[in-house]
Amino acid sequence: LAKTTQPISMDSYEGQEVNITCSHNNIATNDYITWYQQFPSQGPRFIIQGYKTKVTNEVASLFIPADRKSSTLSLPRVSLSDTAVYYCLVGDFNSGYALNFGKGTSLLVTP
Amino acid sequence: NAGVMQNPRHLVRRRGQEARLRCSPMKGHSHVYWYRQLPEEGLKFMVYLQKENIIDESGMPKERFSAEFPKEGPSILRIQQVVRGDSAAYFCASSPTGPYGYTFGSGTRLTVV
Repeated sequence: LAKTTQPISMDSYEGQEVNITCSHNNIATNDYITWYQQFPSQGPRFIIQGYKTKVTNEVASLFIPADRKSSTLSLPRVSLSDTAVYYCLVGDFNSGYALNFGKGTSLLVTP
Repeated sequence: NAGVMQNPRHLVRRRGQEARLRCSPMKGHSHVYWYRQLPEEGLKFMVYLQKENIIDESGMPKERFSAEFPKEGPSILRIQQVVRGDSAAYFCASSPTGPYGYTFGSGTRLTVV
């Protein structure tokens, strides 16, 4: 399973764009990159998934360079409610095998 | 379509008692995963099950912990003779094995007193 590395914590002010980068140097050909968000006392929630280039949905954008050894989750104009832990996962979801969560990045948004 | 349902949400057990945590996957999902989250820690994989089969239990402690996913009914994570160190949030996730990953339940918070 590909190992991921992401910052332990980040701080931002309301209204700013936040970019969280995840390194996954040994990503495999069949692996997808997926980001989850977890609020206190809740289970993680799927945010976005991609394989290459750029993916955008109503919540975030995911940028993946050509070598796929890293990825960046971009949250536009964050609000206080975006304060959460963000996890980067890399794996072959079609295999059905379990994916490992690291400690994630704890994002604190302040006024 | 209800999400992943876990119960109870909170469970208090005395040391030495048994804890049973239940997880009903989303409709159409036949793959269930259990994770444990200690305070201020990330989620640690415990076990992966399909109906009536344990696929991967590499994250399960060797003693006192067991899991099942019967043909009918929810998946059960069972912890025998609980100790204080078992206090944690236990999350269940289900997947159809498609490309969209897991859907998590809200977790069961186990407190051992």
